[in-house]
Amino acid sequence: KNEVEQSPQNLTAQEGEFITINCSYSVGISALHWLQQHPGGGIVSLFMLSSGKKKHGRLIATINIQEKHSSLHITASHPRDSAVYICAVFLPNTGNQFYFGTGTSLTVIP
Amino acid sequence: KAGVTQTPRYLIKTRGQQVTLSCSPISGHRSVSWYQQTPGQGLQFLFEYFSETQRNKGNFPGRFSGRQFSNSRSEMNVSTLELGDSALYLCASSFQQGSGANVLTFGAGSRLTVL
Repeated sequence: KNEVEQSPQNLTAQEGEFITINCSYSVGISALHWLQQHPGGGIVSLFMLSSGKKKHGRLIATINIQEKHSSLHITASHPRDSAVYICAVFLPNTGNQFYFGTGTSLTVIP
Repeated sequence: KAGVTQTPRYLIKTRGQQVTLSCSPISGHRSVSWYQQTPGQGLQFLFEYFSETQRNKGNFPGRFSGRQFSNSRSEMNVSTLELGDSALYLCASSFQQGSGANVLTFGAGSRLTVL
């Protein structure tokens, strides 16, 4: 059983396209993170959400607590956005466990 | 401001050996959490340390252990290495306890290969 499900697993887009990556989770959470991992392994934290919506540059993250769903949007995608995007949820009522989705591999073609 | 520093970046060990990995957090950050990433299992939470105390732990065997020093630097140790321990080990730091509820800054990782 996977507490966090991401879709799609792989995504190829043309430069300039609007991209959406989805994350669904099955239990109550206190926070949800969106992470970006480039080839070579380094991880960057993009957003930490507990409600509503956050925006940073061309990236927008939303969360719907009632529906247990979050989305990461990339507007005007660029080849440098090519990376793996990982959703992670924090479950404080289960011993502060931190569960990760399997990631979405995004390739943006020039 | 220096980022999170992990050493060594790459290492190769043989089965049965033990390994120690180090993580120096961002100055002022008191929470350090550790994660294992493998192609098969993806990212998994290992444990979190705050103020030199382990605050929570993921579902890993006792061969995986860690500690945190008074300067917030943390080490993790894996004893009696198995082939399946080959992975990228990442640490992250945050200012407050409860790594999941705070913004995390990740290190570049230590890539362990067990032969």
